[in-house]
Amino acid sequence: GENVEQHPSTLSVQEGDSAVIKCTYSDSASNYFPWYKQELGKGPQLIIDIRSNVGEKKDQRIAVTLNKTAKHFSLHITETQPEDSAVYFCAALNQAGTALIFGKGTTLSVSS
Amino acid sequence: SAVISQKPSRDICQRGTSLTIQCQVDSQVTMMFWYRQQPGQSLTLIATANQGSEATYESGFVIDKFPISRPNLTFSTLTVSNMSPEDSSIYLCSVSTLGRGTGGYTFGSGTRLTVV
Repeated sequence: GENVEQHPSTLSVQEGDSAVIKCTYSDSASNYFPWYKQELGKGPQLIIDIRSNVGEKKDQRIAVTLNKTAKHFSLHITETQPEDSAVYFCAALNQAGTALIFGKGTTLSVSS
Repeated sequence: SAVISQKPSRDICQRGTSLTIQCQVDSQVTMMFWYRQQPGQSLTLIATANQGSEATYESGFVIDKFPISRPNLTFSTLTVSNMSPEDSSIYLCSVSTLGRGTGGYTFGSGTRLTVV
């Protein structure tokens, strides 16, 4: 089945710096790759997603890039702010193309 | 996107007992899922809740331990049976509003379960 690897597990940056989180997936048939942000005590919130027919998608300070050949995708956050501090999860669809399989998460800390 | 209401939001239960978690969605959805998130860990898919038929369980999860119901397109329940401290986790309901493989996956706020 699908396997999603995520790195790094923790990331500390200064306010205003950029943060990059990387994920790789195993199933070349996967075609949908979302990123979620989870704050303490809350459920995961979708922040951006990308489908396999595009290589990059941007939404203000957040961007996602996809390399289908290498089977990896990355989350880029520019001009980080303290409120960006949270756990970020990448995901890909399972082999059946129905449910999401998650990476292990990255704890991002932005210090002011 | 769909709005999900999960109940209870948290509970402390005695070992050996069972807890039923409810997931209510404000609109009809094509797919509903249950995930477990152990302390400090990622989300693991327990099962896909199928409307009108038995749930589809992932490897390592069985119906006797985690019975699931989905009587209609807006509601599902997950029961954690014969609980032990190892069942202490956050249990999350998720739905897809856009159909198979097209995205739109939303999560509830979760049920924080502690088994003592």
